[in-house]
Amino acid sequence: QSVLTQPPSVSGAPGQRVTISCTGNSSNIGAGYDVHWYQVLPGAAPKLLISGNTNRHPGVPDRFSGSKSGTSASLAITGLQAEDEADYYCQSYDSSLSGPVVFGGGTSLTVL
Amino acid sequence: QVQLVQSGAEVKKPGASVRVSCKVSGDTLTKLSRHWVRQAPGKGLEWMGGFDPEDGETIYAQKFQGRVSMTEDIYKDTAYMELSSLRSEDTAIYYCATGLKKFPAMNDAFDLWGQGTLVTVSS
Repeated sequence: QSVLTQPPSVSGAPGQRVTISCTGNSSNIGAGYDVHWYQVLPGAAPKLLISGNTNRHPGVPDRFSGSKSGTSASLAITGLQAEDEADYYCQSYDSSLSGPVVFGGGTSLTVL
Repeated sequence: QVQLVQSGAEVKKPGASVRVSCKVSGDTLTKLSRHWVRQAPGKGLEWMGGFDPEDGETIYAQKFQGRVSMTEDIYKDTAYMELSSLRSEDTAIYYCATGLKKFPAMNDAFDLWGQGTLVTVSS
């Protein structure tokens, strides 16, 4: 049970926009700690997409964007493509005994 | 180009220990914050521990304290993660990862990952 809560799954048709939420609390996101996002394709190592809430990692398409507000963060993917089908994880710092480094439970994205 | 190359797959019996290595090429190990993350079959990413080069401290996730040890050989630019008292639930892919160096080590983004090492615990 992660302290960062993500929806288990989301889906969208090609070309559509989807968002993945990452909900924390006052010991992590709400305390001002940065949120990072990763994409995990089947059989591959995680790939950094977004660092520091909103910064797209070099080489990541601008279809991917991140935001943060209060105790939550979100990853948005626009112009959905078949190759975006993967698992997505948020990561932050937690000052409780759960941390210091915590990942969300992960969200499986299906492109319909 | 910096790369992390991990050791090969391991099969261990319950109660045994396993040591996974992570060799850095293209940079110096001592400059990098380094972490270990695992992913059990069908499960999410789980942080195990990490090293902060700024203060020289290694911090372990509470869940693994007493069972995990993270060390390094700076002359070989290689980091190691040893997990003891293995049980079936430790079957997972183990990754080493390094920090982006734009945030504090324990709130850093992991921009470089090894290819992963599958550890299977089975009697």
